[in-house]
Amino acid sequence: DTEVTQTPKHLVMGMTNKKSLKCEQHMGHRAMYWYKQKAKKPPELMFVYSYEKLSINESVPSRFSPECPNSSLLNLHLHALQPEDSALYLCASSQRQSSNQPQHFGDGTRLSIL
Amino acid sequence: AQTVTQSQPEMSVQEAETVTLSCTYDTSESDYYLFWYKQPPSRQMILVIRQEAYKQQNATENRFSVNFQKAAKSFSLKISDSQLGDAAMYFCAYHKLVFGAGTILRVKS
Repeated sequence: DTEVTQTPKHLVMGMTNKKSLKCEQHMGHRAMYWYKQKAKKPPELMFVYSYEKLSINESVPSRFSPECPNSSLLNLHLHALQPEDSALYLCASSQRQSSNQPQHFGDGTRLSIL
Repeated sequence: AQTVTQSQPEMSVQEAETVTLSCTYDTSESDYYLFWYKQPPSRQMILVIRQEAYKQQNATENRFSVNFQKAAKSFSLKISDSQLGDAAMYFCAYHKLVFGAGTILRVKS
């Protein structure tokens, strides 16, 4: 069973659209992550939230806007994306943002930009 | 900056045989954690095994074990009695969210 739930599973959008990706976990984890993954490549870290506060922003373009409304939810708002932004977007969570904590991943949202 | 290198883009193993996936890393830290994650095709990424650098004993989880050589900065994954369900992409990861390029493992029946 997937303990980290991501919706939608697939998303096709135009470059002028605004959409949001959602991620939810009910494991009591206080660190949540967004990754971007291209086919047959490793995940690239985008953002980290720790206790609902943005902890790490890996110089991600402003067309990606993260939001953490509460400890269980993580959103990624998308606006004016480019074709190169087409990828699998993975959400993950861990008990804390500390080095010994393994991450639990969702199934991802496969995003296609037309 | 820390780096993680997986030098084997693809590996193949016969069902029931043993295979070893390689991983090396570079760090100036003395205390850290290393992970192996498995990502089956179109499935979620899951943790396979974790190693704490200050522990000399190699981690083991059922058919999965690691060969951790701290001085050589090497962290290989051994899969014994390979099964068809082991077919996946395997990522080695350093604790500060740094992933290797991945190794695709194919299991032949």
